[in-house]
Amino acid sequence: DADVTQTPRNRITKTGKRIMLECSQTKGHDRMYWYRQDPGLGLRLIYYSFDVKDINKGEISDGYSVSRQAQAKFSLSLESAIPNQTALYFCATSDSGHNYGYTFGSGTRLTVV
Amino acid sequence: DQQVKQNSPSLSVQEGRISILNCDYTNSMFDYFLWYKKYPAEGPTFLISISSIKDKNEDGRFTVFLNKSAKHLSLHIVPSQPGDSAVYFCAATNSGGSNYKLTFGKGTLLTVNP
Repeated sequence: DADVTQTPRNRITKTGKRIMLECSQTKGHDRMYWYRQDPGLGLRLIYYSFDVKDINKGEISDGYSVSRQAQAKFSLSLESAIPNQTALYFCATSDSGHNYGYTFGSGTRLTVV
Repeated sequence: DQQVKQNSPSLSVQEGRISILNCDYTNSMFDYFLWYKKYPAEGPTFLISISSIKDKNEDGRFTVFLNKSAKHLSLHIVPSQPGDSAVYFCAATNSGGSNYKLTFGKGTLLTVNP
């Protein structure tokens, strides 16, 4: 099993629909992140959480919300999807020690039509 | 304001030659730098990192160089192999900050031709 699992892998949804992307991890890391990747724009941070009671906005949080249901689970919601939210979404984890690297999931390709 | 810049969207090299990927940063608080590699349909994977107390870190065919005065780092791949073809992201952070998170560049698509 993957250390960081994202579901679904692919999703097509209609404008205005609510959609949730889920992320779970078996790394035991306390920190979790949601990024989106767009062509030519790289990886941009949407939200991050340093523990279950800590949620922080990233650089592009408008139109998104998150929920940290447990240390191992971090969900990203689009309350009312719009076409410019079509992108590749990545969940990542890290620990609070001296290992500064992230472990990424395989991504969710979201298309809003 | 883009704090981590990868100014070359793409790079093409011949198999066996050296690949040099460049990255510049503007935030003087950054003191730890990482490179990630990403294949299509997969998440980015950690490749190599360097702390600002060093100017070079080597791992097999991969070497990262850091020039703090120029706020510049580069990733050298020698010799390049077709399997190295991927998008490479440069990332940076302030390791001493309590609000630790990585800031990524836009990525460089490396193509290694057989």
